Amino acid sequence: DAGVIQSPRHEVTEMGQEVTLRCKPISGHNSLFWYRQTMMRGLELLIYFNNNVPIDDSGMPEDRFSAKMPNASFSTLKIQPSEPRDSAVYFCASSQDGYSGNTIYFGEGSWLTVV
Amino acid sequence: AQRVTQPEKLLSVFKGAPVELKCNYSYSGSPELFWYVQYSRQRLQLLLRHISRESIKGFTADLNKGETSFHLKKPFAQEEDSAMYYCAPRSYNTDKLIFGTGTRLQVFP
Repeated sequence: DAGVIQSPRHEVTEMGQEVTLRCKPISGHNSLFWYRQTMMRGLELLIYFNNNVPIDDSGMPEDRFSAKMPNASFSTLKIQPSEPRDSAVYFCASSQDGYSGNTIYFGEGSWLTVV
Repeated sequence: AQRVTQPEKLLSVFKGAPVELKCNYSYSGSPELFWYVQYSRQRLQLLLRHISRESIKGFTADLNKGETSFHLKKPFAQEEDSAMYYCAPRSYNTDKLIFGTGTRLQVFP
């Protein structure tokens, strides 16, 4: 398996534009996570899905952020409109159904710069 | 409230020196504890978990429930250990993994 696949790897966009980040989890995994990494705040959990259903979105910073998981092999994280403070690395991760210490596997991240 | 604290943002040591990366947690119940590592420009990857009681790349971590700590230790640091290290607790009844702010370990030759 190629692991968790994220796209784009790098994106530079202007303030106010819509940004869509994409993620393909590992086949057979039914939990998917979106994290944001910044120097100041470290790794923050934004939202996680189980069996395509959002379970906890308490980390989503504000209404400008939304996430979807239309099927077991695809998820998106959208920022609309984007702001400079959204600049960060966004990681997607997946795991098999939890409750038993299953490892969470991370993608390589999407490096977002909003100017 | 669930919280994990890594008090050191940066830890610098010379090759061959002992290393201890601190992690304290505040969690309801008995969480599982993990250490993840991120080498330069690479994805995060699992280093070790407390339930396995294993040593990976010379690193060990002991869960101290009394002190609610899960410090990561290595007796002799190597240059290739330079990376970001994240402590992460997880409740047994959820997939949700919360990370600390991380500690950057720099090992000088």
